[in-house]
Amino acid sequence: TQLLEQSPQFLSIQEGENLTVYCNSSSVFSSLQWYRQEPGEGPVLLVTVVTGGEVKKLKRLTFQFGDARKDSSLHITAAQPGDTGLYLCAATGGGNKLTFGTGTQLKVEL
Amino acid sequence: NAGVMQNPRHLVRRRGQEARLRCSPMKGHSHVYWYRQLPEEGLKFMVYLQKENIIDESGMPKERFSAEFPKEGPSILRIQQVVRGDSAAYFCASSPGGGNYNSPLHFGNGTRLTVT
Repeated sequence: TQLLEQSPQFLSIQEGENLTVYCNSSSVFSSLQWYRQEPGEGPVLLVTVVTGGEVKKLKRLTFQFGDARKDSSLHITAAQPGDTGLYLCAATGGGNKLTFGTGTQLKVEL
Repeated sequence: NAGVMQNPRHLVRRRGQEARLRCSPMKGHSHVYWYRQLPEEGLKFMVYLQKENIIDESGMPKERFSAEFPKEGPSILRIQQVVRGDSAAYFCASSPGGGNYNSPLHFGNGTRLTVT
């Protein structure tokens, strides 16, 4: 079973600041996904990265997959209150079974 | 296009009662997954089903828990003789296919089970 460690666990910042969330493992990922979960709702897929070194952008969000496919990061530029939520990385295995990371709870204040 | 529908959204049971959680996958999706999210913990895989078949139940407790996905109707996660430790949010996800990242999961909004 892959163990995914996310850091930081909690992050509280002001609107307009930049931030980076990390997802690390000692195992190699076949692919990795990032989700955002808001209170009372299920996780929503943001992106899937597959190739080592891959960078994907989604508006103000930049996702990077490490060259060795053991780590990933999510960078948010000019954070907004709407970015508040629980950010989860997840590694895919056989049969689409996902192993989720420990999560980063982000709060963006005005 | 309806997403993954779970009901009930909230369920309160006394210790020893049974809990039945329902999940209707997205239209056209034949693969269903159940995950549990405990307070202060991440999402943990429980079981993966296709129509009338359990494919992977490696995350499911051996006792009191069962799951099914019949030919007709929703997938059911059943917890018998609930205990306080079963209190959690239970999420269902569905996908059109399985086995690779090209068939991403779509999650429902969960059932929050409280055992008193």
